[in-house]
Amino acid sequence: DVKVTQSSRYLVKRTGEKVFLECVQDMDHENMFWYRQDPGLGLRLIYFSYDVKMKEKGDIPEGYSVSREKKERFSLILESASTNQTSMYLCASRDGADTEAFFGQGTRLTVV
Amino acid sequence: KNEVEQSPQNLTAQEGEFITINCSYSVGISALHWLQQHPGGGIVSLFMLSSGKKKHGRLIATINIQEKHSSLHITASHPRDSAVYICAVIGSNFGNEKLTFGTGTRLTIIP
Repeated sequence: DVKVTQSSRYLVKRTGEKVFLECVQDMDHENMFWYRQDPGLGLRLIYFSYDVKMKEKGDIPEGYSVSREKKERFSLILESASTNQTSMYLCASRDGADTEAFFGQGTRLTVV
Repeated sequence: KNEVEQSPQNLTAQEGEFITINCSYSVGISALHWLQQHPGGGIVSLFMLSSGKKKHGRLIATINIQEKHSSLHITASHPRDSAVYICAVIGSNFGNEKLTFGTGTRLTIIP
């Protein structure tokens, strides 16, 4: 079974803190994605990566950065957390464009 | 207007009923996903299809590429089917790796 594992299920951070969300996949997938999910807005793409050290901005990259030093790991970084970044964050991976996507269990981040 | 629209947004039904969730999209696509999200948050892929129909147990997904429409059906619904069902499309532009999501349909099955 493909596994996409996110490092935390729940996280509470203070405004201004630097926050790291980690995602690891075990199927050697080329493409990895970070989404945030908010009520009424669905899943929105923050960043994606199609190869090691390669990254592309998604639809809402402001306030976020990413790192992909190894193929299996894709990290989302909140440089200075703000309350409007309180959300559910989901990581996904996929091989090619027309292949099935696999999702992590989600990290519910609260910024206070 | 969202590129992917789902209906209904919320659906409550009695156990045993036949369920239909609809997804319409406005862009050219190479494939469409149906996803299931339980209250814990994790998302599971139910189907990926680019034409015709797929069936898995009590779940059936259909797609009409010309009409830009897909449906997810659940036969003999059960309370454990209660979840949010999300439609997502993969654009047909070369090199487009992104999924575009609908806002989901919250299904509640009452015993």
